[in-house]
This record gives sequence, structure tokens and C-alpha cells, in this order.
Amino acid sequence: GEDVEQSLFLSVREGDSSVINCTYTDSSSTYLYWYKQEPGAGLQLLTYIFSNMDMKQDQRLTVLLNKKDKHLSLRIADTQTGDSAIYFCAESSQNNDMRFGAGTRLTVKP
Amino acid sequence: GAVVSQHPSRVICKSGTSVKIECRSLDFQATTMFWYRQFPKQSLMLMATSNEGSKATYEQGVEKDKFLINHASLTLSTLTVTSAHPEDSSFYICSARKSGGETQYFGPGTRLLVL
Repeated sequence: GEDVEQSLFLSVREGDSSVINCTYTDSSSTYLYWYKQEPGAGLQLLTYIFSNMDMKQDQRLTVLLNKKDKHLSLRIADTQTGDSAIYFCAESSQNNDMRFGAGTRLTVKP
Repeated sequence: GAVVSQHPSRVICKSGTSVKIECRSLDFQATTMFWYRQFPKQSLMLMATSNEGSKATYEQGVEKDKFLINHASLTLSTLTVTSAHPEDSSFYICSARKSGGETQYFGPGTRLLVL
């Protein structure tokens, strides 16, 4: 089946930039998403990008999409301790089924 | 906009009882709602897709007689875990998709503990 893969852990120092990477296999993906999950909470949609875009910026967040390589990344500038959470990459294709990666646990050290 | 609520947020029940979880889209109409289950330290697993006014579509391996889904209105879907057992303990998350849209908006989740 189609897969979405992410590295499981990332640790950065407060103030540094974080880059979370994701790869997917479905070439018919239409939307790609980044969700944030804080402990004990549901998913919060951070941002999404349409598959014909290669970059989207929203305040401290920058999403880069390399459609040829099926690679998606989320950059968080000036990472804060409040950014510590699990970040899920997800994609949806034309049939609107959504597939999630396993999540990357971001730890921000003071 | 695009707020989805779930109720209850936490529930503890005895083995053999049934538990109903509600998912509501508060400020938009959702023709489609999704039910996910999240196992500890794992990603979400789609259980079923719920379409207003029709029967839910269940993913392979999900027992439709155990996880009853009702989507009676454009703002409410319910998931009933029937005859719950300890292995049903999990975090259940719903999401809703706006009519005519693609993005899913997630509820805060319901943590179910079956003793």
C-alpha cells in the first residue's frame, strides 16, 4: 500500500530551527498536511500545502514540497519549548483517503 | 472557524458495557466525518468513514457490529463501542470535512479505558 514515513525523533535547542522531514509514495497525492499533537490531545492542523505548490510560509512555519522526490518538510524557526510535541505528516489523494506518518517527536531543550 | 468537539473527553467503563462517543462540527456542516483510533506511540488508524444519511464505510479489520457509527445530521456523528473489552482501550479521534472541502478538522479526542 501507499506509505508515509517520518523519522521518529528530533531534538533541538531552544532558539534553533527545527526541520521535520516526511516522504510519501502516492504520486496522486493532492494535499499534504502537517499536524501537531500535544500530550493527551487530538491533532491540530498546523498547515497544509497543495501538491502543485513547492513552498508555503506561515509565520515561523515553512513547508517545502519536492513533488519529484515525494519529500515534504516542515521548518520551525526559532523553536520554543512550547513547540515540543509530536508532528504528523499526512497526505490525501484524489479519493480523499488520508494517510498519516507515524509522527516525529520533537523535543526542545532549553 | 472549523471547530470540532468530542464528548466525552475521557471515559472509564466496565468490561461488557457500551460506550457512545459524540463528534460535532460546531461551526460548519460536515457531510463526511472520520473516526480514527490511536494506539500508544503510534499514528492514527482510520476506522471508518461516516457519510451523513448513509451507512458508514469501515476499514478492513474493523468490526462494524462492534463499532457502531451513526451520522444522523450534518453536524453530528456518533461512535458506539459495544460490549467494550480492555483491548478496546485507546484514544479515539474524529475528524470532519466541510461540505465541498478536502481538509479534515480533528476533534480533541476521547480517551477510553475499559476495566
